Amino acid sequence: RKEVEQDPGPFNVPEGATVAFNCTYSNSASQSFFWYRQDCRKEPKLLMSVYSSGNEDGRFTAQLNRASQYISLLIRDSKLSDSATYLCVVNDEGYSTLTFGKGTMLLVSP
Amino acid sequence: DAMVIQNPRYQVTQFGKPVTLSCSQTLNHNVMYWYQQKSSQAPKLLFHYYDKDFNNEADTPDNFQSRRPNTSFCFLDIRSPGLGDAAMYLCATSRDTGGGGAPYFGPGTRLLVL
Repeated sequence: RKEVEQDPGPFNVPEGATVAFNCTYSNSASQSFFWYRQDCRKEPKLLMSVYSSGNEDGRFTAQLNRASQYISLLIRDSKLSDSATYLCVVNDEGYSTLTFGKGTMLLVSP
Repeated sequence: DAMVIQNPRYQVTQFGKPVTLSCSQTLNHNVMYWYQQKSSQAPKLLFHYYDKDFNNEADTPDNFQSRRPNTSFCFLDIRSPGLGDAAMYLCATSRDTGGGGAPYFGPGTRLLVL
């Protein structure tokens, strides 16, 4: 099975800061990419899909770089409530299911 | 609201005592997944159903079995739980497999094995 790698963090940032996470994937034929958010002892929740052209949802921007095989998540104006683990998820062509990274922990402090 | 429901939310069992976890969905999705997640680790896929077709991951122990009697329900049976099976068990659904729709997760069942 192909790999999905994330920096586990934690990323400690103050409120209002901008923070970015990267996620690298090993299979160049990967087709679909997602960012999930997981709070402590809760289920993962879909944050956003990642499209080739990049996409934005409020304070969150996702980018895909196929040449370098990574996706990124940018969070602007961080809120305390953004504190969570962010999971990168990749669909590998030839596999019928998704591969999860181990997640990057974000801690936003007052 | 359409959703993925898991019962129970917390399950305590004894070493070797069979346990069944349940999942139901109102999304009418074709695919239902069972994931195991241990602390600070990524969710690990155990198996999934595409409609009635069962797909087992190669490294899923035989101790784990699943049933999907209809579109809405899916069960995870652990025949002889060991201490190492203590984890969060997450049920998820998606419209299709792979990139055909991101999975929606239920709230999970936290299993404790004594």
